[in-house]
Amino acid sequence: DGGITQSPKYLFRKEGQNVTLSCEQNLNHDAMYWYRQDPGQGLRLIYYSQIVNDFQKGDIAEGYSVSREKKESFPLTVTSAQKNPTAFYLCASSIDGFTYEQYFGPGTRLTVT
Amino acid sequence: ELKVEQNPLFLSMQEGKNYTIYCNYSTTSDRLYWYRQDPGKSLESLFVLLSNGAVKQEGRLMASLDTKARLSTLHITAAVHDLSATYFCAVDAPNNNAGNMLTFGGGTRLMVKP
Repeated sequence: DGGITQSPKYLFRKEGQNVTLSCEQNLNHDAMYWYRQDPGQGLRLIYYSQIVNDFQKGDIAEGYSVSREKKESFPLTVTSAQKNPTAFYLCASSIDGFTYEQYFGPGTRLTVT
Repeated sequence: ELKVEQNPLFLSMQEGKNYTIYCNYSTTSDRLYWYRQDPGKSLESLFVLLSNGAVKQEGRLMASLDTKARLSTLHITAAVHDLSATYFCAVDAPNNNAGNMLTFGGGTRLMVKP
């Protein structure tokens, strides 16, 4: 089955630790995105990538880092510099970065204490 | 900066009733998406609206887009409990050729009561 996978579903970390969230897609999509969702809120864009080895900051990139070494994979690292990292993180992909709708993965719920 | 506002933020309605959710946005765009989110779950694509006057219908939901008014509506006809969820609109904003960036509204939490 084609789709987007994110792992793990739930993640718990201590404050001060970096943590990496996985996002993989087998849809052959060029573009991938990371969003953050806080309770009762909409989604906010963290980073996006239109092509391998290239990515751009979104609206709330501070405290996060990404890489895009393979077309299928777009991992997100939440660093200790992110002041309030507890949130629901959603990865998405689209055929290209310009004209097509985005499809979302199942999400990772990160709790930092 | 593109702003996307939905209203109402919360909607409680009886089964069988009709209602409309509104999505207003602040800058020119002719691409708008509606998504559904169940509690604790990801987003499911409902409608893709790609031009002024576009209307799409699926079951009891119908979405429309008026790009001149910068307004999209999601109309619910004869609501049933299974439609209880949070609904998001998202507007596609061209970003100086940097690609397709979606700006999301805050969501409308719909609760349909028997």
